[in-house]
Amino acid sequence: DAGVTQSPTHLIKTRGQQVTLRCSPKSGHDTVSWYQQALGQGPQFIFQYYEEEERQRGNFPDRFSGHQFPNYSSELNVNALLLGDSALYLCASSLLGSDGYTFGSGTRLTVV
Amino acid sequence: QKEVEQNSGPLSVPEGAIASLNCTYSDRVSQSFFWYRQYSGKSPELIMSIYSNGDKEDGRFTAQLNKASQYVSLLIRDSQPSDSATYLCAVNKGNTPLVFGKGTRLSVIA
Repeated sequence: DAGVTQSPTHLIKTRGQQVTLRCSPKSGHDTVSWYQQALGQGPQFIFQYYEEEERQRGNFPDRFSGHQFPNYSSELNVNALLLGDSALYLCASSLLGSDGYTFGSGTRLTVV
Repeated sequence: QKEVEQNSGPLSVPEGAIASLNCTYSDRVSQSFFWYRQYSGKSPELIMSIYSNGDKEDGRFTAQLNKASQYVSLLIRDSQPSDSATYLCAVNKGNTPLVFGKGTRLSVIA
């Protein structure tokens, strides 16, 4: 039973560039949530996707956008990268209405 | 006031001792409570969930919930060096995304 898969594992980008991160949820899960975790901080909720729609959104600017595909996989896009966007980006999948979140191994984004 | 608060630590305990990790939350309608363990550079791993007042035990781990005091804790008995990690408390209110605290860094000294 495959868990949550994220790609790439590491990424280095320059300020102002755009980045796309990818996530494949655990088999049987239909909901994908994205979190940003800065060094020494807890994960901060970015947004959640269900049935290809953004269901809920945290306090992040419009530079952060996402998408969910019919196979439940998801992408996180960040435009106009800032140094402060450097963080571990975590994807978590779940079944809507259940509490069980399974996290992927994350993508470490460094903006220089 | 932050939604979920934890002491960032580090909390240092000797091997074999009991480690006690604490978390408070601000929203009284919170329904579900979780403890995740996160090793440095890795993703969070669920170790305990608790939904009703009282204690819940799983092996060396015990989660305790007191909704009246808006307090949830995690006890780790017979602490091992391999327990050294950051422990994240997470809360949600029904069908809402998990809200995490900053985490408490635990160091178990051999």
